[in-house]
Amino acid sequence: GQSLEQPSEVTAVEGAIVQINCTYQTSGFYGLSWYQQHDGGAPTFLSYNALDGLEETGRFSSFLSRSDSYGYLLLQELQMKDSASYFCAVRAVDSSYKLIFGSGTRLLVRP
Amino acid sequence: NAGVMQNPRHLVRRRGQEARLRCSPMKGHSHVYWYRQLPEEGLKFMVYLQKENIIDESGMPKERFSAEFPKEGPSILRIQQVVRGDSAAYFCASSPQGSGGNTEAFFGQGTRLTVV
Repeated sequence: GQSLEQPSEVTAVEGAIVQINCTYQTSGFYGLSWYQQHDGGAPTFLSYNALDGLEETGRFSSFLSRSDSYGYLLLQELQMKDSASYFCAVRAVDSSYKLIFGSGTRLLVRP
Repeated sequence: NAGVMQNPRHLVRRRGQEARLRCSPMKGHSHVYWYRQLPEEGLKFMVYLQKENIIDESGMPKERFSAEFPKEGPSILRIQQVVRGDSAAYFCASSPQGSGGNTEAFFGQGTRLTVV
């Protein structure tokens, strides 16, 4: 089976840097993805890591360590609009490759 | 290029009625996923479909719930004899393929089902 663990809530101030961690357990691994969801909205794709290391996309970066079954999403120069829920997800390497999500981290950015 | 379209956006049903949720994937996408989300909770996998084929329904309750993705037309998630506990947001996502790699999933805006 698959399971992913994330902190339930993180609070940070505008302009700061915040890191959202994700640990996973899977029977097989095909990369770690991150999605953002604003209240009342649809989840939207942010990033994907298949290999170890850091992937940078503007203010957002994502890191993966396959040996530690661990990844994180790094948000820099926080803005109020970054207040949202952030989900890590893995694609289950079984017969179906379905996408499994963590329970999400609610980020609150304060002025 | 239209995104994933779900309708209705909001659906109210009385206990015992049927709920039909529709999802049209992005153009060119042949794989559809349905997820259920309770307030302030995560996305729980329900079912994964390809055209005319259910690939994985391990997350879907055995009774009252069914899903299809016909050759023509949208994917349908059907909930029969709804109960209050079925109240949730139901999200559909589509991808161009299912297996491996950076197969980003594109989500619709969801259907908010309220059972009264």
